[in-house]
Amino acid sequence: EDQVTQSPEALRLQEGESSSLNCSYTVSGLRGLFWYRQDPGKGPEFLFTLYSAGEEKEKERLKATLTKKESFLHITAPKPEDSATYLCAVQKETSGSRLTFGEGTQLTVNP
Amino acid sequence: NAGVMQNPRHLVRRRGQEARLRCSPMKGHSHVYWYRQLPEEGLKFMVYLQKENIIDESGMPKERFSAEFPKEGPSILRIQQVVRGDSAAYFCASSPPKRTMYNEQFFGPGTRLTVL
Repeated sequence: EDQVTQSPEALRLQEGESSSLNCSYTVSGLRGLFWYRQDPGKGPEFLFTLYSAGEEKEKERLKATLTKKESFLHITAPKPEDSATYLCAVQKETSGSRLTFGEGTQLTVNP
Repeated sequence: NAGVMQNPRHLVRRRGQEARLRCSPMKGHSHVYWYRQLPEEGLKFMVYLQKENIIDESGMPKERFSAEFPKEGPSILRIQQVVRGDSAAYFCASSPPKRTMYNEQFFGPGTRLTVL
């Protein structure tokens, strides 16, 4: 069965303290891996899509990487406004367009 | 450039009533997806539609739930005879016509359904 597991469930950082969030997946035939950010009471906001192992993408303080088994979202020198839940989702070659989401990592950055 | 729009943002229904949730995709997008987020759970896929067609409804409960995306107007997710377990946040996402095999999905703000 396809699985997407995110760790840790929750992470508290001090402002400026860099860290990484993990998304491990067991999916046959990965078409793409997606990262989203979700603020309380809002819809997920698209961040990145990664398509093949070795690929990296960056946006401001965020950098996403992909291997054959997992993806990392690196947060460099985070600020309080980076506090949110970060969601990882996979799309399979054989499942059309639907996304299978992990349960998310709730990130809190303290000033 | 308006994003995905959903209404109502909050909906309260009593058990046994019907709930209708509406979604207008981003301009130029012809693919619509519905996801449900139950309290303390992750987002779960429900249905994928294109104009006048249901492409994938593998995540839809077999009873009481239906979805449509007519030629004109928004996509509608309809829940008949709601029960307390239907209380959740329902998100709509849209994506553009496929020019390649990949397409990102952009989400709306969600409709929070509470069943009393």
